[in-house]
Amino acid sequence: GENVEQHPSTLSVQEGDSAVIKCTYSDSASNYFPWYKQELGKGPQLIIDIRSNVGEKKDQRIAVTLNKTAKHFSLHITETQPEDSAVYFCAASRGGSTLGRLYFGRGTQLTVWP
Amino acid sequence: DTAVSQTPKYLVTQMGNDKSIKCEQNLGHDTMYWYKQDSKKFLKIMFSYNNKELIINETVPNRFSPKSPDKAHLNLHINSLELGDSAVYFCASSQTARGQGANEKLFFGSGTQLSVL
Repeated sequence: GENVEQHPSTLSVQEGDSAVIKCTYSDSASNYFPWYKQELGKGPQLIIDIRSNVGEKKDQRIAVTLNKTAKHFSLHITETQPEDSAVYFCAASRGGSTLGRLYFGRGTQLTVWP
Repeated sequence: DTAVSQTPKYLVTQMGNDKSIKCEQNLGHDTMYWYKQDSKKFLKIMFSYNNKELIINETVPNRFSPKSPDKAHLNLHINSLELGDSAVYFCASSQTARGQGANEKLFFGSGTQLSVL
C-alpha cells in the first residue's frame, strides 16, 4: 500500500514568518493530495488539496506544490499568524478506485509565536 | 447545524465493557468512515461504508463492529474493551462517485475520546 512520510514532526516559527511542511509518497498511482488542519479538540479539516495534473495551487496565504517525478509535495504558509497553530496532516490517495482510502502522514505540530 | 456529529464526545469505561459510538452526517454524502487517532496523533482508517455497503475493513480486531442503518449513520460498537483501545475515534463522510474521478474530500466529526481504565 501507500506510505506517506511527513517532515518535520514539529515546527516553530515567529508570527509573520513562512512555514513549510514536506511530504513524500511511495505509490506512483496516487493522484490526490489533500492537506488537513487539526486544531486542539477538533477533527481534521481540509484546507487545500491538489491533484496530480496540477503542479501548484494557491489559496490566499497557503499554497501546495507537487513534484510527481520525485513523489513529493509541500505545504507553504506565508505570513503566519498565531491562529495557524495546529497539527497539519498531508495525505495521498488513488482517488475513485479506492473510495476514499486516504493514507495520512504522521502530522506536523506547527506553533506560531506572537 | 453540525455537518458530521458523533456522540459521545468523551467515553470513560472499564476494561471488558462493551460500548458504542454513534455518528450522523447531514451533508447527504454517500460514504462514511471511522478513523482511529492514537496518542501520537497518527490517523488510521478502520472502516468505510458506501451506501451502507462495507468497502474498507482494515486489520481491525473482530471486537470492533461497524453498523450502517442508512447512508446518514455509521455507528461503531466495541466489545470487550482493552487498554489499547484508548484513542480518539473520528467519524467522517464524503461524497464519492465510483469510477468517476472521486471527490475524496473528507468531512470529519469532532471526535470521541475513549479512555479504557
